[in-house]
Amino acid sequence: AQSVSQHNHHVILSEAASLELGCNYSYGGTVNLFWYVQYPGQHLQLLLKYFSGDPLVKGIKGFEAEFIKSKFSFNLRKPSVQWSDTAEYFCAVNGDNAGNMLTFGGGTRLMVKP
Amino acid sequence: DGGITQSPKYLFRKEGQNVTLSCEQNLNHDAMYWYRQDPGQGLRLIYYSQIVNDFQKGDIAEGYSVSREKKESFPLTVTSAQKNPTAFYLCASSWDNPPYEQYFGPGTRLTVT
Repeated sequence: AQSVSQHNHHVILSEAASLELGCNYSYGGTVNLFWYVQYPGQHLQLLLKYFSGDPLVKGIKGFEAEFIKSKFSFNLRKPSVQWSDTAEYFCAVNGDNAGNMLTFGGGTRLMVKP
Repeated sequence: DGGITQSPKYLFRKEGQNVTLSCEQNLNHDAMYWYRQDPGQGLRLIYYSQIVNDFQKGDIAEGYSVSREKKESFPLTVTSAQKNPTAFYLCASSWDNPPYEQYFGPGTRLTVT
């Protein structure tokens, strides 16, 4: 069975600080990887996804993530956060043995102080 | 305007009552899913359906039931057998081909007292 770990449960940053949120998964086969964001009072929306090709993926709002297969990781980064990035972030994995199922991590709650 | 709708946004029920949460999508997606979101536990899969009239249990199906009579609709019933039903419930849908990106509705917050 697949599992996803997000080691940072709560992160507090000041505006303009750099962000890196960790995501590790446990499946050794081919994977599709996702980062979703849930802004306060809003529904989950896709930030970015890795399907194939360039392991450095760029998403919306200046976010990017790097797929490092040897480390089973897909960390999310942003060079300079804004107060509006305050949200909960979820990493998810789809392994090639799982059909169309996604397995989600426990989420990281980010608070950006103005 | 395509998307997924869930109703109601907030729902209150007494213990011992069954309650049905609505989920409708107009994205023409084949697959639909129900998740439960609890603080610190991420999203846990309750049920999913890949085609009309067919559905499968997810990781935490006990105390829940679903139906898929129409492609657009996937209602979830929280039965009185669910021991801890108070939670935030999310419905999602996707195409049935890679990379299986899921689109989410706004959620229903159920409180059972």
